[in-house]
Amino acid sequence: AQSVAQPEDQVNVAEGNPLTVKCTYSVSGNPYLFWYVQYPNRGLQFLLKYITGDNLVKGSYGFEAEFNKSQTSFHLKKPSALVSDSALYFCAVRDLKGGNFNKFYFGSGTKLNVKP
Amino acid sequence: DTAVSQTPKYLVTQMGNDKSIKCEQNLGHDTMYWYKQDSKKFLKIMFSYNNKELIINETVPNRFSPKSPDKAHLNLHINSLELGDSAVYFCASSPRTGGNTIYFGEGSWLTVV
Repeated sequence: AQSVAQPEDQVNVAEGNPLTVKCTYSVSGNPYLFWYVQYPNRGLQFLLKYITGDNLVKGSYGFEAEFNKSQTSFHLKKPSALVSDSALYFCAVRDLKGGNFNKFYFGSGTKLNVKP
Repeated sequence: DTAVSQTPKYLVTQMGNDKSIKCEQNLGHDTMYWYKQDSKKFLKIMFSYNNKELIINETVPNRFSPKSPDKAHLNLHINSLELGDSAVYFCASSPRTGGNTIYFGEGSWLTVV
């Protein structure tokens, strides 16, 4: 079965510092990987995705993610964190096989706290 | 224009009641979903429809019944509500092709008292 894991429940970073939110995946075949952000009392918003091509994917709000096949990771990064980046971040993988074709599996979420 | 809209946003109801949550998407997507987010923020898929046809039905009590009158709408009806049904329910949609993104509504906060 396809799955993603987010090993950190919470990440704390000071404003202006780089941030990394970790995600590892377990899939058979080529992975379709996604990052989403959820602000309090809101729905999930799409940030970026990796389908194929360059391992470094750029997305919304200055975020990027690096696909690493050997380490089966898809970590979310930003060079300089903003207080407004504080939110809950979800990594997801889309199942491409047979009857599960439309399933998106989400990680458990990582709460990012950016302190002024 | 809201891409995926769901109503109501907040719903407080008593145990044993029956309630419905409605969802509509104006993105022209073929596939729609219901996800449940529990108090620990864990997201779990409940149902998925593709062009009005049920394609994913996870282990969900049969008190939960989805209905898709057309591919732009997916409603969720819940019978005999229980305390454990309290959660945030998200509607979502996506194009059918594999590389495409899933888009979420703003959520419906259900509290059963």
